[in-house]
Amino acid sequence: DAGVIQSPRHEVTEMGQEVTLRCKPISGHNSLFWYRQTMMRGLELLIYFNNNVPIDDSGMPEDRFSAKMPNASFSTLKIQPSEPRDSAVYFCASSRDSNTDGQYFGPGTRLLVL
Amino acid sequence: GQQLNQSPQSMFIQEGEDVSMNCTSSSIFNTWLWYKQDPGEGPVLLIALYKAGELTSNGRLTAQFGITRKDSFLNISASIPSDVGIYFCAGLRPGNQFYFGTGTSLTVIP
Repeated sequence: DAGVIQSPRHEVTEMGQEVTLRCKPISGHNSLFWYRQTMMRGLELLIYFNNNVPIDDSGMPEDRFSAKMPNASFSTLKIQPSEPRDSAVYFCASSRDSNTDGQYFGPGTRLLVL
Repeated sequence: GQQLNQSPQSMFIQEGEDVSMNCTSSSIFNTWLWYKQDPGEGPVLLIALYKAGELTSNGRLTAQFGITRKDSFLNISASIPSDVGIYFCAGLRPGNQFYFGTGTSLTVIP
């Protein structure tokens, strides 16, 4: 079975540019999560969707970050404009049920903003 | 956001030794999860716990959901070099608030 798919795997961009990260959750999973991981702050939950609807976006750092889930098989996390402090690994994860199930993580997108 | 307290932060052990780590919080959790993250990869789910007192095994790994619902423990028996990585606990609170622990870095010396 295919796991969570993320693209790109690596992204290097200049400050001020728009960055779009993509995620395809595991088929049949109803919940999708976006995380950011850094050495300083560890794993941080940015936002999660249940049945394509954003449920909790309290972890989104600021208005420069936005996330969408237009359908059950695709989500994007966009940063516009990007800043060097956004450099991190961004993970997408999905689960069958946000209430009880463990989450399955994608391989991550390593973002470097110069 | 809030993070769970994991200890120890790091461990250096000899191959063959047993490993114990724990995760604590001042709040009650409904679900506890344990993940392992290898370098350059995403966390992989190892064990999920859903009831207070529950003890669950996955090969050489055993995890327990604390009776108070405020903690969880992970044990690895007879460690091997491929156990190296960062182990994260995660918990789901009432109201569907999900938190990750700070991680325990494990190094196994052959």
